[in-house]
Amino acid sequence: QKEVEQDPGPLSVPEGAIVSLNCTYSNSAFQYFMWYRQYSRKGPELLMYTYSSGNKEDGRFTAQVDKSSKYISLFIRDSQPSDSATYLCAMSARREYGNKLVFGAGTILRVKS
Amino acid sequence: ETGVTQTPRHLVMGMTNKKSLKCEQHLGHNAMYWYKQSAKKPLELMFVYNFKEQTENNSVPSRFSPECPNSSHLFLHLHTLQPEDSALYLCASSPGGTGDSPLHFGNGTRLTVT
Repeated sequence: QKEVEQDPGPLSVPEGAIVSLNCTYSNSAFQYFMWYRQYSRKGPELLMYTYSSGNKEDGRFTAQVDKSSKYISLFIRDSQPSDSATYLCAMSARREYGNKLVFGAGTILRVKS
Repeated sequence: ETGVTQTPRHLVMGMTNKKSLKCEQHLGHNAMYWYKQSAKKPLELMFVYNFKEQTENNSVPSRFSPECPNSSHLFLHLHTLQPEDSALYLCASSPGGTGDSPLHFGNGTRLTVT
């Protein structure tokens, strides 16, 4: 079983739709959760960073962590063609539990105008 | 120049060649990383340097040789590579060299081994 599972997509949605991107994980020690966005021919850029459980909102983006279900989500409201990219989830545990950052394989998102 | 800069952007090399990838960060970070990105696979951590000292070698074959002369520069020396080494090689930096420290990536070097 992979430490982090992420549906590769592609996920294709019309402009204005609400997008839900998800990752599941197996290591209950994970505490730090990140979402990176990677445009074609570019490196990943940090989009959202959350610690432990709960929600975090930044503009049209909301990151949600459910540690009891070992499940994290990224919601994009009013999606735009410029949101078309690959979205990578990443997570790590506290130092005493290894602390190495583990990535999902990424979900390709296409927003059609 | 800001952020993390990688050169070259594209590299084609034969299996007997020797080449080097270069990375420079202008963020004042203390840690630098090499990652390998292959299609439909998670990012694979290769090496970590913290304050110029190598703190992680993720069982990388010896045909990949990293060098970190200072906290701002990182190199990846390549020799006698295999076709399966073709991938996007990403350099990253972070304020600290631990997993909770967000990474800042360069745009990568697309390597093709023929």
